[in-house]
Amino acid sequence: SAVISQKPSRDICQRGTSLTIQCQVDSQVTMMFWYRQQPGQSLTLIATANQGSEATYESGFVIDKFPISRPNLTFSTLTVSNMSPEDSSIYLCSAAETGDNLSNYGYTFGSGTRLTVV
Amino acid sequence: LAKTTQPISMDSYEGQEVNITCSHNNIATNDYITWYQQFPSQGPRFIIQGYKTKVTNEVASLFIPADRKSSTLSLPRVSLSDTAVYYCLVGARSYNTDKLIFGTGTRLQVFP
Repeated sequence: SAVISQKPSRDICQRGTSLTIQCQVDSQVTMMFWYRQQPGQSLTLIATANQGSEATYESGFVIDKFPISRPNLTFSTLTVSNMSPEDSSIYLCSAAETGDNLSNYGYTFGSGTRLTVV
Repeated sequence: LAKTTQPISMDSYEGQEVNITCSHNNIATNDYITWYQQFPSQGPRFIIQGYKTKVTNEVASLFIPADRKSSTLSLPRVSLSDTAVYYCLVGARSYNTDKLIFGTGTRLQVFP
C-alpha cells in the first residue's frame, strides 16, 4: 500500500500567522483528503484535494482559511491561514489508491501534524 | 454515505476475544463495510473490509449478517497493544469519488 510522509509532525505557531502542511505519497494516488482531529475526538473531513482542479470543501470549511494545493498525483499541501487558538488540532492527510488495493489496504493516512496556536 | 453507530468504549483483558458491533441501517446495495484502527499520535490504519458473510485476515474477522444492517469486528485474543480506537465506515468500494466520513469510533481499552 501507499506510504505517506507528512510534515511537520508538530508546530507551535503565533496567532495570525499561517502554517503549510505537506503530504508526500510514495506512489501516484487518485484521491487525497485532509482531515482535522481534536484530541480525543473523531476525524472531521476538511476537503478533498483534486489533482489539476480546486479542492472540494466540506461544510464549515472554506478555501480562504484552508487553501489546498495538489500539483501532482503524489503531493498535496494544506495551509492553515490566519491562525487562532481554535485552530489548534491534529491535521491528517489521507490518500486513496484504486482497484483491488482498496480491499487489502484501504485508505492510507499520514501520521498527522499536531498544531498548537498560541 | 450510510451513518454508523457503534459503542463509545469497551474494556477487555488480555487474551480475550473482543467483538465490536456497528449498526448501519441505511447501508446501500453497493456499500462496503470497512474498519480502521487508530493508535494515539498516529493516523488511522486499515484493518479489514467486507461486503457480506465473513471475512478474515491475519488481524481480525468481520462478520456481516444477511441483511447487512450491522457488522461485527472480532479481534481474537487481544493484547495490550490492541488498545486503540476502532472506526466502522460504510461506503462504496471504488472510493474514486467517495470520501471517508468517520463516526465516533469505539475506544477499546485492554487491561493486563
